[in-house]
Amino acid sequence: QSALTQPASVSGSPGQSITISCTGTSSDVGSYNLVSWYQQHPGKAPKLMIYEVSKRPSGVSNRFSGSKSGNTASLTISGLQAEDEADYYCCSYVGSKDVFGTGTKVTVL
Amino acid sequence: EVQLVESGGGLVQPGRSLRLSCAASGFTFDDHAMHWVRQVPGKGLEWVSGISWNGDSVGYADSVRGRFTISRDNAKSSLYLQMNSLRAEDMALYYCAKDICSGFDCYYYYGMDVWGQGTTVTVSS
Repeated sequence: QSALTQPASVSGSPGQSITISCTGTSSDVGSYNLVSWYQQHPGKAPKLMIYEVSKRPSGVSNRFSGSKSGNTASLTISGLQAEDEADYYCCSYVGSKDVFGTGTKVTVL
Repeated sequence: EVQLVESGGGLVQPGRSLRLSCAASGFTFDDHAMHWVRQVPGKGLEWVSGISWNGDSVGYADSVRGRFTISRDNAKSSLYLQMNSLRAEDMALYYCAKDICSGFDCYYYYGMDVWGQGTTVTVSS
């Protein structure tokens, strides 16, 4: 099972909205509404931002939203802030196992 | 406070074995599936293994299937990863993580909402 495909980097100015894509296949992203997204700052453990495609855990800002269309899931960050600068990973159930995406570095200009 | 603390990492020779442990506290351990995830410094996350709340359902990444075994002891609120036939490519920081889904019909694929700080495995002769 190969990793899900994410853009290596995405950037935006404070206040803008950005979207990170996570492309899989009909065997993973396209088959299950079980996509999650994680934020990771350098030297820190990952943090769950979105689960089951579009659900936000308690305490996560509503500036973060998730969606899915076909074999591609997306994470949108609206009102970009300096503290959003981090690495972001998607993850999908693949049938008896999970697989992460390749990761996206978000830069706030 | 909800907490996961990994232990058991260290330096091991190729081909040898190591057992990682994860001690959970602050939540009802047997209500949740659990995961192991690893990360090579400077690289991405790799899901390693997951286990259902009662241990009846387990899953492994292709890269470790047949060499690693996940298990849990709900009476001790602990998660384990037995790693055999270790290779240089297994060298990484290993995280223990709790699945967000709670209940008897939850498995290891909803989302990982609590993470430990990780334990480092070094494979070298």
